[in-house]
Amino acid sequence: DVKVTQSSRYLVKRTGEKVFLECVQDMDHENMFWYRQDPGLGLRLIYFSYDVKMKEKGDIPEGYSVSREKKERFSLILESTSTNQTSMYLCASSYRGRTEAFFGQGTRLTVV
Amino acid sequence: GQQVMQIPQYQHVQEGEDFTTYCNSSTTLSNIQWYKQRPGGHPVFLIQLVKSGEVKKQKRLTFQFGEAKKNSSLHITATQTTDVGTYFCAAASGGSYIPTFGRGTSLIVHP
Repeated sequence: DVKVTQSSRYLVKRTGEKVFLECVQDMDHENMFWYRQDPGLGLRLIYFSYDVKMKEKGDIPEGYSVSREKKERFSLILESTSTNQTSMYLCASSYRGRTEAFFGQGTRLTVV
Repeated sequence: GQQVMQIPQYQHVQEGEDFTTYCNSSTTLSNIQWYKQRPGGHPVFLIQLVKSGEVKKQKRLTFQFGEAKKNSSLHITATQTTDVGTYFCAAASGGSYIPTFGRGTSLIVHP
């Protein structure tokens, strides 16, 4: 079975702190994604990567950056958190040229 | 980017009743996927439809892709409490492999 693992299930941070959200997949997937999920808004794409060191902006990249130094790992970075970044963050991965995605368990981030 | 509209946002049913959620796009889609997210869980891939007019079944779940490849539906026959969750459609178009998600339909089943 595909396994996508996110480093934390719950995080509480203060406004202005830097946050790293880590995601690791074990199926040698080329594509990796970061989404945020908010009630009534569904899943919105923040960033995606289709190869090591490659990254593309999604629909809502402002306030976020990403890093993909190894194929299995995709990190989401919040340089200076704000309260409007309180959300559920979901990492996903898929094979090149395939659209079906496999999700991690999610990280619920609360910024106070 | 591409928009995928999903309705309804919520649906309450009595156990045993049927349920349908609809997904619509203004553009022709390459494919469409359906995911289920249980309360407190993460989205889990259910199925992908690729062909115009395609119909696929998984036990009590029936998935359809429209003839024009601009809409899709998920129908659950005789709902059970285990069907509770949010159902998302996700679609790609124009050769992209990046799925755009609908906002989801939350199904609440009353015993």
